[in-house]
Amino acid sequence: NAGVMQNPRHLVRRRGQEARLRCSPMKGHSHVYWYRQLPEEGLKFMVYLQKENIIDESGMPKERFSAEFPKEGPSILRIQQVVRGDSAAYFCASSREAGAQETQYFGPGTRLLVL
Amino acid sequence: LAKTTQPISMDSYEGQEVNITCSHNNIATNDYITWYQQFPSQGPRFIIQGYKTKVTNEVASLFIPADRKSSTLSLPRVSLSDTAVYYCLVGGPYGGSQGNLIFGKGTKLSVKP
Repeated sequence: NAGVMQNPRHLVRRRGQEARLRCSPMKGHSHVYWYRQLPEEGLKFMVYLQKENIIDESGMPKERFSAEFPKEGPSILRIQQVVRGDSAAYFCASSREAGAQETQYFGPGTRLLVL
Repeated sequence: LAKTTQPISMDSYEGQEVNITCSHNNIATNDYITWYQQFPSQGPRFIIQGYKTKVTNEVASLFIPADRKSSTLSLPRVSLSDTAVYYCLVGGPYGGSQGNLIFGKGTKLSVKP
């Protein structure tokens, strides 16, 4: 029973390039969440998606960042024209349903380094 | 929004029981309390979840008083491998009083030999 999978695990980009982070939720999970974590900080919510729909993107910067969760395939977090401040660990989580008692299961993260 | 407060760090020795307390004075009626563990360079891992009274699993126990304004994660007989950051969260994916999980800085537990 595979857990949440993320790839790549490490990504290096130069300023101005695009970064694409992928997340495959656990089997049977249709709710996906993206978080960003800076060193020595807790995780910060970015966006919540449910198959083909963005439910809440209140934590995502208005510019350069976008997310999708297509009917088929993984969820994608896309960062255009990356800047040094985008360097962080990006975690994806999934849950079976939405609700107070539902648990989010996290992937191993993608560590983005912008040179 | 239900905010949580927990100690920044704790030290312990192998074999001891560790109790980490989290305050959540503004917890809402339909909020659950969940604890996660995070090792360096890894994603958070679910430890335990509860609503009231006491919950126990193979890893930990969670004690929640009647007023639910705090909770205590209890780790029995810790080992070096329990050195990690522990996060207390209140709410739930779009079912609690807030729309998403809010992670604080967590409690950095250091277990020494």
